[in-house]
Amino acid sequence: DGGITQSPKYLFRKEGQNVTLSCEQNLNHDAMYWYRQDPGQGLRLIYYSQIVNDFQKGDIAEGYSVSREKKESFPLTVTSAQKNPTAFYLCASSIPNREGAFFGQGTRLTVV
Amino acid sequence: QKEVEQNSGPLSVPEGAIASLNCTYSDRGSQSFFWYRQYSGKSPELIMFIYSNGDKEDGRFTAQLNKASQYVSLLIRDSQPSDSATYLCAVKPLGGTSYGKLTFGQGTILTVHP
Repeated sequence: DGGITQSPKYLFRKEGQNVTLSCEQNLNHDAMYWYRQDPGQGLRLIYYSQIVNDFQKGDIAEGYSVSREKKESFPLTVTSAQKNPTAFYLCASSIPNREGAFFGQGTRLTVV
Repeated sequence: QKEVEQNSGPLSVPEGAIASLNCTYSDRGSQSFFWYRQYSGKSPELIMFIYSNGDKEDGRFTAQLNKASQYVSLLIRDSQPSDSATYLCAVKPLGGTSYGKLTFGQGTILTVHP
């Protein structure tokens, strides 16, 4: 089945540790995105990538890093510089001429 | 002023009624408008998008867009308990080449009670 796979579904980390969230898609979509959702709030864009080896900052990129070495993969690293990392992280993809973003099942990160 | 604003609710309607969800946006150049449904603990699911003024119908769902008033709404006819979810309004800016780069509202919680 085609889709976007995020792993793990739940992730716990100690404060001060970097953590990498995985996002893989087999939809052959060019563009991929990372959004963050906090309780009772909408989604905010962290980073996005329209082609391999290229990515742009979104609205809340500070404390995060990404890479896009393969079309299928767009991992997100939450660094220790991110002051409030506990959130629901959503990876998405899109294709030209088809409106909207299509989401993976999300990773819920808790930092203690 | 928030770029995309929704009534946070919660909105409660009886089964079989029409649920009306509203959204306003601040960027007059916005190009496309989306409604996502998000069940508790799950990821958002695209249910409709609209880019022309007027109404767009898909089954029990109707999206309405008024660019002059910078207003977009979603009507759900014959509401069912399975429609209970958070509904997110999202906007794509004019000239955006990245189809998934959207600005979201905070969501409206809808509860449909039997």
